[in-house]
Amino acid sequence: RKEVEQDPGPFNVPEGATVAFNCTYSNSASQSFFWYRQDCRKEPKLLMSVYSSGNEDGRFTAQLNRASQYISLLIRDSKLSDSATYLCVVNPRGTVTGGGNKLTFGTGTQLKVEL
Amino acid sequence: GAVVSQHPSWVICKSGTSVKIECRSLDFQATTMFWYRQFPKQSLMLMATSNEGSKATYEQGVEKDKFLINHASLTLSTLTVTSAHPEDSSFYICSANSVLSSYEQYFGPGTRLTVT
Repeated sequence: RKEVEQDPGPFNVPEGATVAFNCTYSNSASQSFFWYRQDCRKEPKLLMSVYSSGNEDGRFTAQLNRASQYISLLIRDSKLSDSATYLCVVNPRGTVTGGGNKLTFGTGTQLKVEL
Repeated sequence: GAVVSQHPSWVICKSGTSVKIECRSLDFQATTMFWYRQFPKQSLMLMATSNEGSKATYEQGVEKDKFLINHASLTLSTLTVTSAHPEDSSFYICSANSVLSSYEQYFGPGTRLTVT
C-alpha cells in the first residue's frame, strides 16, 4: 500500500463548480498534513496546512479525519487559474527532529477548470 | 517569504558526463535541505536529506556514489549526478527547512536534466 494515495484524475470541471479531492495515508502516527499545488513543469507550492479542526482559506477548505486517515480539499467557485495538480503531502515522522521533516508526496490529482 | 533558488534551470548533457545542481536559500538559513526527483506524471520522490556539515542520508534505492550531495553551508547544497545516463533524465527539485520554522519546506524552482 502506498504511504499516500490520491485519485490521479484528471477532474474536468466547469468554471464556478465546487470540486473535492480526497487522500488517504497509511502511517497512523503522522502528525503534519499539507496540500500543495503544482503547475506543469514547476515546483510545488504550499497551498495550505491541514488541521484536525479543519481550516479554510478563501475558496479552499481542508479537512482531516484521523480515525479514517483521510484528508480532503474542497475548492468552491473554481477558477480557470485553479487548473493544476494538487498534491497531498504527509510528514510521516510526525515530530520535529534534528534531521528536519521528511515529506511524503501523493502522486497528485489533476484538476482542469474549463469555460 | 523564504526564497530558494536552483541553478541551472535546465541542462542537457551527454551520457557519461557529470552535472552539478546548486540549491541556495537566499534569505534564510536552512538547517536541512532535501533533494527530490520527479519523473513525468509521477510524484516527487525524496532522494536524500542533507544537513549542513554532515553526510547526507539517502533514501532506499538511491545510489549515494552516483548522486553526490554536499551541504557546505547553511545556505548552499549541491547535487552532482555523476556519469549521467538517459534514465537519469528527470526534474530535480530541492527544498529547505528554515532554522526558524521546522515544519514548512520551501521549494526551489527545479532543474530539468536531459541526458542524451
